[in-house]
Amino acid sequence: DAGVIQSPRHEVTEMGQEVTLRCKPISGHDYLFWYRQTMMRGLELLIYFNNNVPIDDSGMPEDRFSAKMPNASFSTLKIQPSEPRDSAVYFCASSPGWGRATYNEQFFGPGTRLTVL
Amino acid sequence: RKEVEQDPGPFNVPEGATVAFNCTYSNSASQSFFWYRQDCRKEPKLLMSVYSSGNEDGRFTAQLNRASQYISLLIRDSKLSDSATYLCVVNNYGQNFVFGPGTRLSVLP
Repeated sequence: DAGVIQSPRHEVTEMGQEVTLRCKPISGHDYLFWYRQTMMRGLELLIYFNNNVPIDDSGMPEDRFSAKMPNASFSTLKIQPSEPRDSAVYFCASSPGWGRATYNEQFFGPGTRLTVL
Repeated sequence: RKEVEQDPGPFNVPEGATVAFNCTYSNSASQSFFWYRQDCRKEPKLLMSVYSSGNEDGRFTAQLNRASQYISLLIRDSKLSDSATYLCVVNNYGQNFVFGPGTRLSVLP
């Protein structure tokens, strides 16, 4: 299995531009998570999905952020408009789900390093 | 007070040393606990789950004290390859996981 795939790996954009981050979870995993990591705030959960349905988006910072999961193999995190304080590493993770031995283990993608100038 | 707290370190130890990390959590209803490892500029990876009775995996031992809301990780016979940031993770409900800020370990030759 290729693991969780994220694209792009690096993104540099200017303030005000729209940014779209993409994630392909591990096949067969029921849960998908979006995290943001910064030096100041550490790793923060933004939103997670169960079977493509958003379950908890309480970590989404504000209306500029939106996430979708149109099918079991693809999710996007969009920032519009982007601001310099959005600069961070954004990780996508997936986990198998209940009923399986490793249901609580999260498998992380390599992350997208976003810089907003 | 942060929900999960860790000593940020860095812990600088010589090869072969034993080192222990501590983690405290504020939610007494927390259900499950983990240690993740994150190498520099890489993604976090599960190191081990933490069970109530304590558990061991090779050189690594994890302990949980629910009464004190405290988790620990002990690494024996440290290797250079153990150098990383160790993240304490707490699961409060459903799939809501809270990551601690991490403790940085450097194992020196």
